[in-house]
Amino acid sequence: SQQGEEDPQALSIQEGENATMNCSYKTSINNLQWYRQNSGRGLVHLILIRSNEREKHSGRLRVTLDTSKKSSSLLITASRAADTASYFCATDSGAGSYQLTFGKGTKLSVIP
Amino acid sequence: DAGVTQSPTHLIKTRGQQVTLRCSPISGHKSVSWYQQVLGQGPQFIFQYYEKEERGRGNFPDRFSARQFPNYSSELNVNALLLGDSALYLCASSLASGTGSFYGYTFGSGTRLTVV
Repeated sequence: SQQGEEDPQALSIQEGENATMNCSYKTSINNLQWYRQNSGRGLVHLILIRSNEREKHSGRLRVTLDTSKKSSSLLITASRAADTASYFCATDSGAGSYQLTFGKGTKLSVIP
Repeated sequence: DAGVTQSPTHLIKTRGQQVTLRCSPISGHKSVSWYQQVLGQGPQFIFQYYEKEERGRGNFPDRFSARQFPNYSSELNVNALLLGDSALYLCASSLASGTGSFYGYTFGSGTRLTVV
């Protein structure tokens, strides 16, 4: 079953603009991660935020986590055509296993 | 350094057949997980292995099985294939055992299985 729900399902922006994707989840989590997938191939790990963290940065990426609202957002600043991909949030509950539960993803198109 | 390698990259099978997918984790990674991704959906967890022991199993029928070898590589087997098994099968490796700190998974490029 899918735990997370990304919003929007699809997003189209111009190169140089910022892209914001949101993720909501249902149960308590240990970590939340964001992954990128190009053209239905393997996933690339972007960033991990722990349940006791509220914000994290990595290059042009900014992730926030609000455990009270069970939601997270991924901001990509100054987007590039190469950022065109599907983005997934994934949660794990710890408890002895780092089984990931993914949402359905946001398909981002960056127009040059 | 080699990443997570999966073989084959593409596979076409007939309904009722059996298939074996292979995965080699990043050197030093002892945890291997398998995920199924149907077109248009997010990946769904199938199995996790750590140190050759099953650490988790997702909501998949018994037709799905897996194992991990002493060199930490892994195989996923699917018996009695159904059309609905057509998907991208992803393998992921990690240093994490499930009790220590976790820094995310490294995924392979996947095996695209088509059942006809």
